[in-house]
Amino acid sequence: GQQLNQSPQSMFIQEGEDVSMNCTSSSIFNTWLWYKQDPGEGPVLLIALYKAGELTSNGRLTAQFGITRKDSFLNISASIPSDVGIYFCAGRTLRRSQGNLIFGKGTKLSVKP
Amino acid sequence: EAQVTQNPRYLITVTGKKLTVTCSQNMNHEYMSWYRQDPGLGLRQIYYSMNVEVTDKGDVPEGYKVSRKEKRNFPLILESPSPNQTSLYFCASSFAWDVSSGYTFGSGTRLTVV
Repeated sequence: GQQLNQSPQSMFIQEGEDVSMNCTSSSIFNTWLWYKQDPGEGPVLLIALYKAGELTSNGRLTAQFGITRKDSFLNISASIPSDVGIYFCAGRTLRRSQGNLIFGKGTKLSVKP
Repeated sequence: EAQVTQNPRYLITVTGKKLTVTCSQNMNHEYMSWYRQDPGLGLRQIYYSMNVEVTDKGDVPEGYKVSRKEKRNFPLILESPSPNQTSLYFCASSFAWDVSSGYTFGSGTRLTVV
């Protein structure tokens, strides 16, 4: 099936640093979503993007829908220990038969206090 | 509280012993889906359902069955579990089939098949 390439796979950063991660696809998406998964829990939606070029913020998080509609990135500013977790991108395709949401493999974020 | 509830949270079973993982949502969502999460492979879709009595295969349906007899429930059935089905399973739901608002996920079921 379709795949999203999410990078980096993992990050080890110091508290206070900014973080950037991205997702790319060979297919066009009409929605990009970013999720965070805390240890032992299910993913929780952080940000949803619906238009090419759209830039959306949620507190210290900022995400953008790429102009080509084949990529998206997520930035976290001034990281704190509770930012630890796995971040997933997800794209919505136009193909109804596929169930519509495709997930990246995740970026595991570790924050050193 | 709006939520997706999965049971059980943890399950250890033996090869070949049929099991069912339940999923229930209280948000009147039309769309429900099952995913499995494995290290290095991310979230892979097993089955999904766009509405009552409408189900379809995702990317990794082999060895699994689902049913959608009521809008709120979407159980995952493993008729004859095998060790390669050891994984973390998530149920998710969305208001409409176009999932533009994203999924709400359950807390997960960690299954071990020995």
